[in-house]
Amino acid sequence: GENVEQHPSTLSVQEGDSAVIKCTYSDSASNYFPWYKQELGKRPQLIIDIRSNVGEKKDQRIAVTLNKTAKHFSLHITETQPEDSAVYFCAASKSGGYQKVTFGTGTKLQVIP
Amino acid sequence: DSGVTQTPKHLITATGQRVTLRCSPRSGDLSVYWYQQSLDQGLQFLIQYYNGEERAKGNILERFSAQQFPDLHSELNLSSLELGDSALYFCASSVGGSYNSPIHFGNGTRLTVT
Repeated sequence: GENVEQHPSTLSVQEGDSAVIKCTYSDSASNYFPWYKQELGKRPQLIIDIRSNVGEKKDQRIAVTLNKTAKHFSLHITETQPEDSAVYFCAASKSGGYQKVTFGTGTKLQVIP
Repeated sequence: DSGVTQTPKHLITATGQRVTLRCSPRSGDLSVYWYQQSLDQGLQFLIQYYNGEERAKGNILERFSAQQFPDLHSELNLSSLELGDSALYFCASSVGGSYNSPIHFGNGTRLTVT
């Protein structure tokens, strides 16, 4: 089955700096890659996603890049703010009969004011 | 609001008891997923249903069972509860099927076993 590895497990950055979280996946058939942000005690919320026919997608201060050849994708947050502090999860998904989703283990991001 | 409804929000019960967690997916979503999240842990996948049929099983204990009903709501049954079962249980849903769609999470049920 699919295996998604996520690094780093924890990340501390100064406010205003950039943060990068990386994920690798094993199943070349995966073709949809969402990212979730989970604040303490709350539900994971979708913040951005990318499909395999696209190499990069941006939404204001966040961007995701995908390298299908290397089977890895990354989340980039620029100009970090304290409210970006949360746990971030990547996921890999493939369709075919029914949707199969595999999550990474999460990255705890701390933005230091 | 994600559109995924989970009840109850909180549940406190004793060891050895049985509880049922309920989930209503977003309108139009056919896939339902259940996840367990212990303190400071990741999302442990338990089980997935698609249009009433079990489609994938994760690390779900034999003491746990689930089903998806014809109206697409789902229930997760936890029995012979142990202290270690205390966790946040999330239900999520997606359109599913042959199309990749975003997975939306409910607000979770916080289970405390005393």
